Amino acid sequence: EIVLTQSPDFQSVTPKEKVTITCRASQSIGSSLHWYQQKPDQSPKLLIKYASQSFSGVPSRFSGRGSGTDFALTINGLEPEDAATYYCHQSTSLPQTFGQGTKVEI
Amino acid sequence: QVQLQESGPGLVKPSETLSLTCTVSGGSISNYYWSWVRQPAGKGLEWIGRIYSSGSTNYNPSLQSRVTMSVDTSKNQFFLKLSSVTAADTAVYYCARAGALDIWGQGTMVTVSS
Repeated sequence: EIVLTQSPDFQSVTPKEKVTITCRASQSIGSSLHWYQQKPDQSPKLLIKYASQSFSGVPSRFSGRGSGTDFALTINGLEPEDAATYYCHQSTSLPQTFGQGTKVEI
Repeated sequence: QVQLQESGPGLVKPSETLSLTCTVSGGSISNYYWSWVRQPAGKGLEWIGRIYSSGSTNYNPSLQSRVTMSVDTSKNQFFLKLSSVTAADTAVYYCARAGALDIWGQGTMVTVSS
């Protein structure tokens, strides 16, 4: 099973700040790494698919990069509505797995 | 646009079988993988498994002995059964359209308790 390790677990930030969350895979997963945002009592929402492809309707301040084992999600110019928990997810290898989550507090 | 809706009992007794349905509306279930994901309260996401519209399945080895997924393309529905449940199976259960999980249902809370 591929283990995804996110860093940090928690981040307290101010509006307009740039935030970077990293996700490291225990073995190479190519580019099949996806990022989700989950707000309390809501289902997760896809932000970035296949490492760097923005999902339809997602604000341009969200971007992703990486391949192989190291990935990052960047939020450029954090907005108050970006307070949420962010998860990475790999679909290369079965079982599919998720990172433990990064909570972003504003 | 495609929408997913989970349905099923919110309360299941220990040792019994949890049964959930995911109904796909606004599009066809055909030619896609469909996943189940669960989330215990205050915890992270766990991939349970996936089913292709043809009926082919892949399960998480941690649950494989207890999980069965099926699909009914005529009704645009797919199903999850989890047998011999315990309190550890208490969670919000989501269905989602797989590879990148681009569409999710709203989730349904299932509590395992006598």
